[in-house]
Amino acid sequence: GQQLNQSPQSMFIQEGEDVSMNCTSSSIFNTWLWYKQDPGEGPVLLIALYKAGELTSNGRLTAQFGITRKDSFLNISASIPSDVGIYFCAGQPSNNAGNMLTFGGGTRLMVKP
Amino acid sequence: SAVISQKPSRDICQRGTSLTIQCQVDSQVTMMFWYRQQPGQSLTLIATANQGSEATYESGFVIDKFPISRPNLTFSTLTVSNMSPEDSSIYLCSVVQGLLATNEKLFFGSGTQLSVL
Repeated sequence: GQQLNQSPQSMFIQEGEDVSMNCTSSSIFNTWLWYKQDPGEGPVLLIALYKAGELTSNGRLTAQFGITRKDSFLNISASIPSDVGIYFCAGQPSNNAGNMLTFGGGTRLMVKP
Repeated sequence: SAVISQKPSRDICQRGTSLTIQCQVDSQVTMMFWYRQQPGQSLTLIATANQGSEATYESGFVIDKFPISRPNLTFSTLTVSNMSPEDSSIYLCSVVQGLLATNEKLFFGSGTQLSVL
């Protein structure tokens, strides 16, 4: 099946720094979703993208749907300790007739106060 | 967004036993899914829970091991049968809201942390 390559796998940054992570695929995707998962919890939807080139913000978070439809990035500006968690990208492949999503491997974010 | 209640939130089970996980949604939804998240890993789709018919399983998952019920549009159960330590994972219920490729979003329950001894 389709694979999503998410990078970096982990990041250890200083509070206040900006963060960038991305997902890439060899396949075309119709939808990109970004999630954050805290320990012991289910993933929480942060941003959803539906059109190539779309740029969407949610507070300090900004995500973009790549123009080639094969990638997406998530930026976090001015990180704070509560940004700690695992961030997952998820995409719906264009050749998928249903609603099944493919998930990236996750980016573990650690923030040093 | 839909409110998804999943229980139990965690359990410790003996090998060879079975555990049934319940998922209740506060509104009717067409699409419900069950995912597994093994320790330190990403999410893997187990099956699509179909209302009124047999679930649709992904490659590597079978009905005998993971029987699923979906009696109505707001409720589903996943059973992990004849458990072994390899079944220790987080199991997540999820639902879709919105229109395909237009504004659909996938929401997750809080998960069931399963440990098998």
